[in-house]
Amino acid sequence: GQNIDQPTEMTATEGAIVQINCTYQTSGFNGLFWYQQHAGEAPTFLSYNVLDGLEEKGRFSSFLSRSKGYSYLLLKELQMKDSASYLCAVNDGDYKLSFGAGTTVTVRA
Amino acid sequence: GAVVSQHPSRVICKSGTSVKIECRSLDFQATTMFWYRQFPKQSLMLMATSNEGSKATYEQGVEKDKFLINHASLTLSTLTVTSAHPEDSSFYICSARTGNGDYGYTFGSGTRLTVV
Repeated sequence: GQNIDQPTEMTATEGAIVQINCTYQTSGFNGLFWYQQHAGEAPTFLSYNVLDGLEEKGRFSSFLSRSKGYSYLLLKELQMKDSASYLCAVNDGDYKLSFGAGTTVTVRA
Repeated sequence: GAVVSQHPSRVICKSGTSVKIECRSLDFQATTMFWYRQFPKQSLMLMATSNEGSKATYEQGVEKDKFLINHASLTLSTLTVTSAHPEDSSFYICSARTGNGDYGYTFGSGTRLTVV
């Protein structure tokens, strides 16, 4: 089966930086996604990595190491509206997305 | 961009009744639709994959006779929860493969099902 691990909760202060780690062991690999999800809403796409390295998009960056089965999402200049759940998901090569349990980020003033 | 419209957004039904959830692709043809279920404070769990014109493929542990999926056209997939029970109360979300935008996947807005 697929195994995708990420921390359950993280708390940070407004304006700070938070790094959410994700490790995965899957039967196949065709890219890793990060999504943001607010309670009761659908996930919103943040980033996609298929090759090793860092992808930067504004305040959000995502890193991938395929050899280590590891990714992280970096959130800079945290804002209150960034309080949400962040989901790591892996395309297992068969177009299915397997999701981690999600990391709830709480931003404090 | 690719948009999937999911209805209803919220539904309350009595135990033993059936509920139908619809997902429509508005500006593209969705040959493949994924159906997920999410319990509070948990992640999305894939229930089944539907391909237009063929039978859905269910994940292990998902009862195909209870969760009926129909994908009769390239723009509409439906999930019917039959003989609903309180334990079926959950957030159901569909996702379509688009082939472009958001690297190939777009999500519906979700349906909050409460069975009383």
